[in-house]
Amino acid sequence: DAKTTQPNSMESNEEEPVHLPCNHSTISGTDYIHWYRQLPSQGPEYVIHGLTSNVNNRMASLAIAEDRKSSTLILHRATLRDAAVYYCIPAGGTSYGKLTFGQGTILTVHP
Amino acid sequence: DTAVSQTPKYLVTQMGNDKSIKCEQNLGHDTMYWYKQDSKKFLKIMFSYNNKELIINETVPNRFSPKSPDKAHLNLHINSLELGDSAVYFCASSHHSDTGELFFGEGSRLTVL
Repeated sequence: DAKTTQPNSMESNEEEPVHLPCNHSTISGTDYIHWYRQLPSQGPEYVIHGLTSNVNNRMASLAIAEDRKSSTLILHRATLRDAAVYYCIPAGGTSYGKLTFGQGTILTVHP
Repeated sequence: DTAVSQTPKYLVTQMGNDKSIKCEQNLGHDTMYWYKQDSKKFLKIMFSYNNKELIINETVPNRFSPKSPDKAHLNLHINSLELGDSAVYFCASSHHSDTGELFFGEGSRLTVL
């Protein structure tokens, strides 16, 4: 499994953009980069995933570096509901479901 | 209408007992999983079933036995509970085993006294 490095914590103000970085320098060529988040007392929630190109969905955008050794999850306008632990998870092959969660980044959103 | 539902949500029991946690998904997915989140909040996969067939079995004591009566259900039975089994257990499902989009349940908090 590829190792990931994420900041332990980040803070943001409501309605401001948030950029959550992740380093995954040992990622394999076939691994997708997944992002999940876990709100307090809830199960993890899928956010987005991508392989090489930047990706957008209704929740967030994912910017992937050209060498794929890092990525950034972008929340365009943070809300209080976005306060959660965010996990960056490289995974691929036939074991997508075998996701290895690290410590993640605790995002605090201030009103 | 909960997509992945687990019961019970909370379970408090004594060491040495046997207990089960049930999981059901109504998403029509082929693959189901059990994950364990320990006191340090690390989430680790335990098992995965695809169409009732075991496809992932991590290093888990054989006191833990998953059972999948059909592809919508994956139950977890734990024999001879130990203090270290205290954790939050999450069930999840995905459309197929080769997708990274998992849908998780709300978790079952097991406390062993």
